Amino acid sequence: GAVVSQHPSWVICKSGTSVKIECRSLDFQATTMFWYRQFPKQSLMLMATSNEGSKATYEQGVEKDKFLINHASLTLSTLTVTSAHPEDSSFYICSARDGTRNYGYTFGSGTRLTVV
Amino acid sequence: LAKTTQPISMDSYEGQEVNITCSHNNIATNDYITWYQQFPSQGPRFIIQGYKTKVTNEVASLFIPADRKSSTLSLPRVSLSDTAVYYCLVGRLMNTGFQKLVFGTGTRLLVSP
Repeated sequence: GAVVSQHPSWVICKSGTSVKIECRSLDFQATTMFWYRQFPKQSLMLMATSNEGSKATYEQGVEKDKFLINHASLTLSTLTVTSAHPEDSSFYICSARDGTRNYGYTFGSGTRLTVV
Repeated sequence: LAKTTQPISMDSYEGQEVNITCSHNNIATNDYITWYQQFPSQGPRFIIQGYKTKVTNEVASLFIPADRKSSTLSLPRVSLSDTAVYYCLVGRLMNTGFQKLVFGTGTRLLVSP
């Protein structure tokens, strides 16, 4: 149980374009989801907290106008990287927790973004 | 959020028991301790969670001393497939709203034949 599906698993885009990443909770409702970014050989860095029906909360140093988060339903949050640059190339991961079950957060499989 | 400290890396051999210790000196009364495993190019996977004493599941055991300022993840008889990064996190499970998880450096475990 508590499955989080992330799509796409990898994407290559040109500089200046935008890319949307989807995060879905398949068998539970997630009022809150989290978005992380991970560079090679580094730990996960929390980018923002996605709240259903309201604005996302961004961590310090994360540009909200560049990383647009939409959490329009209880099972879907999207992260859009706008005007992507090569330095945005990274591994993006979402997570959510099923509040009805007593175990930890479930993570998506991640999205490898390469900006060329 | 309590800060955690773990060894950067550990090496082991197949069939051995591996113990990874995490320090969390500033753990709060309501904080739980959770361990995650991450393989390359995958999202972290929940391993085990505990509050005090000992917790065991089908993949690992978690030992927490009485002062709760540290915890030890024990992996019995590791195999090559246990090569991964292991993260220790400390935080509160809240009934309403969810506490964000902040990851530390993690421990990179390498299991050799």
